Amino acid sequence: DVKVTQSSRYLVKRTGEKVFLECVQDMDHENMFWYRQDPGLGLRLIYFSYDVKMKEKGDIPEGYSVSREKKERFSLILESASTNQTSMYLCASSLWAGSYEQYFGPGTRLTVT
Amino acid sequence: SQQGEEDPQALSIQEGENATMNCSYKTSINNLQWYRQNSGRGLVHLILIRSNEREKHSGRLRVTLDTSKKSSSLLITASRAADTASYFCAHTGTASKLTFGTGTRLQVTL
Repeated sequence: DVKVTQSSRYLVKRTGEKVFLECVQDMDHENMFWYRQDPGLGLRLIYFSYDVKMKEKGDIPEGYSVSREKKERFSLILESASTNQTSMYLCASSLWAGSYEQYFGPGTRLTVT
Repeated sequence: SQQGEEDPQALSIQEGENATMNCSYKTSINNLQWYRQNSGRGLVHLILIRSNEREKHSGRLRVTLDTSKKSSSLLITASRAADTASYFCAHTGTASKLTFGTGTRLQVTL
């Protein structure tokens, strides 16, 4: 089975802190994605990556950056956390560019105070 | 926003009844998928229907797709308490990234 793991289930940070959210997948998937999920808004794509060192902006990239130095690992970075970034963050991966089913991690609930 | 919408936002039924949820989207699609999310957890893929398909079945799930109306429906037959979850549709255009709907919260009571 594909396994996507995220570094923390719950995280509390202060405004202005730099925050790293880590995601690791164990199935050699080429594509990786970061979403945030907010009540009433569903999932919104922040960034995605088709390959190592490649990244593409999603629908809401402002205030975020990403890093993909190894194929299995995709990091989401909040350079200076703000209260409006309090949310559930979900990481996902898919096999290759032409495959569409995504496998999700359990999520990180981030609270910025 | 190209985000899809789902209807209803919330649905409460009794065990054994059928549950139907609908999804609308705005753009041309390559395929449409349905995912389930148990409370506070990640999403799990349920079923994918391609743009040239009209209906697809998987166990107790039946999905229909009407590309002329830009809509899809998910039917869960003979529902169980374990089906209690949020359900999301998601569509794919030319790239492999997904655009999700806002979700339907399904509550199945005993």
